[in-house]
Formats: sequence, structure tokens, C-alpha cells
Amino acid sequence: QSVLTQPPSASGTPGQRVTISCSGSSSNIGSNTVNWYQQLPGTAPKLLIYSNNQRPSGVPDRFSGSKSGTSASLAISGLQSEDEADYYCAAWDDSLNAVFGGGTKLTVL
Amino acid sequence: EVQLVQSGAEVKKPGESLKISCKGSGYSFTSYWIGWVRQMPGKGLEWMGIIYPGDSDTRYSPSFQGQVTISADKSISTAYLQWSSLKASDTAMYYCARLSSNGINYWFDPWGQGTLVTVSS
Repeated sequence: QSVLTQPPSASGTPGQRVTISCSGSSSNIGSNTVNWYQQLPGTAPKLLIYSNNQRPSGVPDRFSGSKSGTSASLAISGLQSEDEADYYCAAWDDSLNAVFGGGTKLTVL
Repeated sequence: EVQLVQSGAEVKKPGESLKISCKGSGYSFTSYWIGWVRQMPGKGLEWMGIIYPGDSDTRYSPSFQGQVTISADKSISTAYLQWSSLKASDTAMYYCARLSSNGINYWFDPWGQGTLVTVSS
């Protein structure tokens, strides 16, 4: 059972906009920023969004993040086949432990 | 280029010991925390702990405290994850990642390529 809650799966067709939710509590998301990681099949996770809504260099602006209260969301617009991957939200809790969501498997139909 | 390169896949028997490594390059290894993350087959990411190679300050997830040992040798820019007695349930992919920061917020970037550990009799 992961500390942060994500839907296990999401899907969309090419060009569509998809959102993935991440729910936490006052001791993690509610008091710290959220990061998102993308894990393409058979590869290591890669940083996708940091500090709630910041994109690292090289990440397309089709990816965006937001946070409100104890929840966060990742939005992917203009969905492409190469976006098919597992997506994980993460945050730090007040005890300085890193916590992850269970991951959301995104399928591009 | 900032890079973390991990040691190769391991196949071990229950009860054996193991130490896997993560070598950093392209940055000041002693100035950034390094974390370890477990991913069991078909499962999600689990944070195990972090180490600051500059002074070997180490923090463990409560779930992994006492189960593994995290260490670092700053002279060769390498962090380690160690088991004294492996169990079948330790079978997983293990990733190291650098803890990056803007001074206020922290995130893991970049990640190593992963080390697959298989424990089977």
C-alpha cells in the first residue's frame, strides 16, 4: 500500500489530454512539493516534473504539473504514442522520508 | 554530463551477502545526497534511504532500517547498498539516484540504470 494514491491506469488517444491524480495527506503533499517521474518500459525512472510544476530541460511543455492542498495532478496534452509509460508522483513527508505513489500505467490507444 | 553508473546484475542464493555499487561522475560527488530505490517485479517505486557522501550521514526508510546498509567511498565517488543475508523477497531492481535541489525543494535526478538482484535457491 503506497503512501500516495494514484489511479492504477489511465488511457487516451493520440492528441488527447490526459490527467493523472495523486492524493496524499497534510504530512506529505500538504506541506511539501510534488515531483513526477516517468518510467518508460524497461528503463529507469526519469524526472518529469519537480517542485509541483517545473519542467527539467528537455521535457516537452506538453507535460504540466499542479498541486492543490493535499493533492497533485500531472497533465499530458497532445498525447503521443511515446508517452506510453508508468508515471509516479513523489513527495517528502515531515519525517524527511521520501514517499511515492503506486504508479499509473498510461496506455495510448 | 552528470551520470550515475550502477554495477551489473547479480544472482545470489538465500543467506548470501551482497554489495552493489553506484558510481557518480560529472559533478561534485561529496556535495549531493544519493538515494536508493527498490522496485520489485511488476511493482512500484519504494524509497530505501539516502546518504551524504561528504560526511556519510545516512537516513533510512523505516521499512528498510536494519534490513540493508547504505555506505559511500568518496575517494572513488561510489555509493553502496549492502545486504548481510539475502532473502528471496529481496529480488528486485535497485536504482540509485542523486538528490538534486533548488535549496528548498528536493527531487531525484538523475537516476542510475538499475541493478537487478535475483535471489533464488
